[in-house]
Amino acid sequence: GENVEQHPSTLSVQEGDSAVIKCTYSDSASNYFPWYKQELGKGPQLIIDIRSNVGEKKDQRIAVTLNKTAKHFSLHITETQPEDSAVYFCAPRGTGGFKTIFGAGTRLFVKA
Amino acid sequence: NAGVTQTPKFQVLKTGQSMTLQCAQDMNHEYMSWYRQDPGMGLRLIHYSVGAGITDQGEVPNGYNVSRSTTEDFPLRLLSAAPSQTSVYFCASSYSGSPNEQYFGPGTRLTVT
Repeated sequence: GENVEQHPSTLSVQEGDSAVIKCTYSDSASNYFPWYKQELGKGPQLIIDIRSNVGEKKDQRIAVTLNKTAKHFSLHITETQPEDSAVYFCAPRGTGGFKTIFGAGTRLFVKA
Repeated sequence: NAGVTQTPKFQVLKTGQSMTLQCAQDMNHEYMSWYRQDPGMGLRLIHYSVGAGITDQGEVPNGYNVSRSTTEDFPLRLLSAAPSQTSVYFCASSYSGSPNEQYFGPGTRLTVT
């Protein structure tokens, strides 16, 4: 079945620094690549996504890059702020189906 | 729009008891799903539905039943609770087509003693 790995599992940065989280997947048919943010006590919420016909997408301080050949995509957060502290999940999805396999999550700490 | 709502927020069960976790959405989404979240394991798909009357199993379906009689509601039933089912349960919904964003409810924290 689909295998999804996220690295690192924990990331600690100083406020203002950049953070990068990488997601590797095995299903070459995947064509939708979202990143979700989960704050303490809440459900995950989509923060950015990308489709397989696009290599990069940016939304203010966050960006996602996709390398379909190598089967990985990454979340980039610049100028990190304390409110960016949360758990981030990738959840690549393939065509023709609804099943979504989530990565194990990356806990990001932004130190003020 | 209320989005995705879940009840209850917290529940404690004894081993062997049964209960139903409620999930409702008011966005007219075709797709709905149930996930469980355990420490260090991300979210694992239990059951999902692509429309009223249609359900299918996810990664970890054993011990759970679902039904989808309306577009809005997707209840999850625990038939005979076990301590291994102690977890946080999330319901999610999405459109069948683009965009594929999933909207999550606030979760139900279940403890089985």
